[in-house]
Amino acid sequence: GIQVEQSPPDLILQEGANSTLRCNFSDSVNNLQWFHQNPWGQLINLFYIPSGTKQNGRLSATTVATERYSLLYISSSQTTDSGVYFCAVGGSSNTGKLIFGQGTTLQVKP
Amino acid sequence: EAQVTQNPRYLITVTGKKLTVTCSQNMNHEYMSWYRQDPGLGLRQIYYSMNVEVTDKGDVPEGYKVSRKEKRNFPLILESPSPNQTSLYFCASSLSLGAGRGTQYFGPGTRLLVL
Repeated sequence: GIQVEQSPPDLILQEGANSTLRCNFSDSVNNLQWFHQNPWGQLINLFYIPSGTKQNGRLSATTVATERYSLLYISSSQTTDSGVYFCAVGGSSNTGKLIFGQGTTLQVKP
Repeated sequence: EAQVTQNPRYLITVTGKKLTVTCSQNMNHEYMSWYRQDPGLGLRQIYYSMNVEVTDKGDVPEGYKVSRKEKRNFPLILESPSPNQTSLYFCASSLSLGAGRGTQYFGPGTRLLVL
C-alpha cells in the first residue's frame, strides 16, 4: 500500500514565524488532504489538494503529484496554530482507503 | 448546522460486552469512514462505506463490524471488545471521493476504554 511520511515530526516556533511542513507519498494519488488536530482533539480539514496550489488566509498548500510530495505553508504563525498537522492520501484506484501520515506536532510560543 | 455527530463521546466498558458507537451526518454525504487514533500509530482506517449497503475494510478491521442501512448513519460495532481496542475513535464523511468532492469532515471523537 501507499506509504506516507511527514516531516519534521516536531516543530517549535515563535509567534509570527513562518514554517513549511512536508508530506511525501510513495505512489500516485487522487486524493490528498491536510488536517489540523487542535489540542482538544478536534480534527479540521484544511485543504483538499491532490494537485496544484491553494491558499486560505495565512495557510497555503502545494501538491506536486508527479514528484509525490505536498507542502503546507503556515505564515505569521499564531498560538492557535498549535496542534498536530496530518497529511492523508488516497490511491489513484479510488478504493476509498485513506492513509494518514504520522503527523507534525507544532508548538507556537507567544 | 452541517455536522458529523458521534455517540457516546466517552465510554468505559469491560472485555466482551458488546457495544455500538453511533455516527450520523446531516450533509447527505455518500462516503463515510471510521478511524482509530493511538499514540505513536497515528490515525488508521477501520472501515469505510462508499454508499448505502456498500462497505469495505480499511487497514485495521479486525474485531469491528459496520453497517450502512441509511445514508446518514454508519455505526461501529464491537461485538466482543478487548483491551487492545482502547482508543480514540473518529467518524468522518465526505460528499464522495471524486475530485472536488472528497473533503472529509470529522466527528468529535469517541474515547473508549476497555477494561
